[in-house]
Amino acid sequence: KAGVTQTPRYLIKTRGQQVTLSCSPISGHRSVSWYQQTPGQGLQFLFEYFSETQRNKGNFPGRFSGRQFSNSRSEMNVSTLELGDSALYLCASSLSGGAPYEQYFGPGTRLTVT
Amino acid sequence: DQQVKQNSPSLSVQEGRISILNCDYTNSMFDYFLWYKKYPAEGPTFLISISSIKDKNEDGRFTVFLNKSAKHLSLHIVPSQPGDSAVYFCAASARNKLVFGAGTILRVKS
Repeated sequence: KAGVTQTPRYLIKTRGQQVTLSCSPISGHRSVSWYQQTPGQGLQFLFEYFSETQRNKGNFPGRFSGRQFSNSRSEMNVSTLELGDSALYLCASSLSGGAPYEQYFGPGTRLTVT
Repeated sequence: DQQVKQNSPSLSVQEGRISILNCDYTNSMFDYFLWYKKYPAEGPTFLISISSIKDKNEDGRFTVFLNKSAKHLSLHIVPSQPGDSAVYFCAASARNKLVFGAGTILRVKS
């Protein structure tokens, strides 16, 4: 079974621009979560989508948004990029999101904002 | 407000010895705890988990202990191998939301 895939793997953007990241979950998985990883901060939860609906949301500003399509693929958008948005963005999928809450992560998209 | 804390940023262990990674949490509503391992340039990989109704779960060389009264969990790796060198994240779940610690870098020296 193919794992979670994320595109692109690397991205360089300029302050003020916007960016869209894509995530394809494991086949059959309906829950997709997004995380931001920065040095020393661990993984910060952005949001979770289940059956095309945002089910959970972390404490990030409204510049961060996402959506999920009927095939469970998900996109994350960041508008008006700031230098502090430079991070590794990870997507994770799970069957339903409920316990046992074992998520499977993609390799991440490394975003650099200059 | 860090609900899940891994107070040791790094740990160095000799090959064949035991590695003990620690994690503390503050939210008593957490009902499920997990450990993930992460290699550079890869996403985290699920390692082992434990429900809040148990105090120990074992899987091969990996054992997770949960002390609910102390709000503390630990991951024991015995024996440690050089391939175990990675960043280890503990995570806690409540209401379908996972909260991760900042991670501990484990270096196993041969």
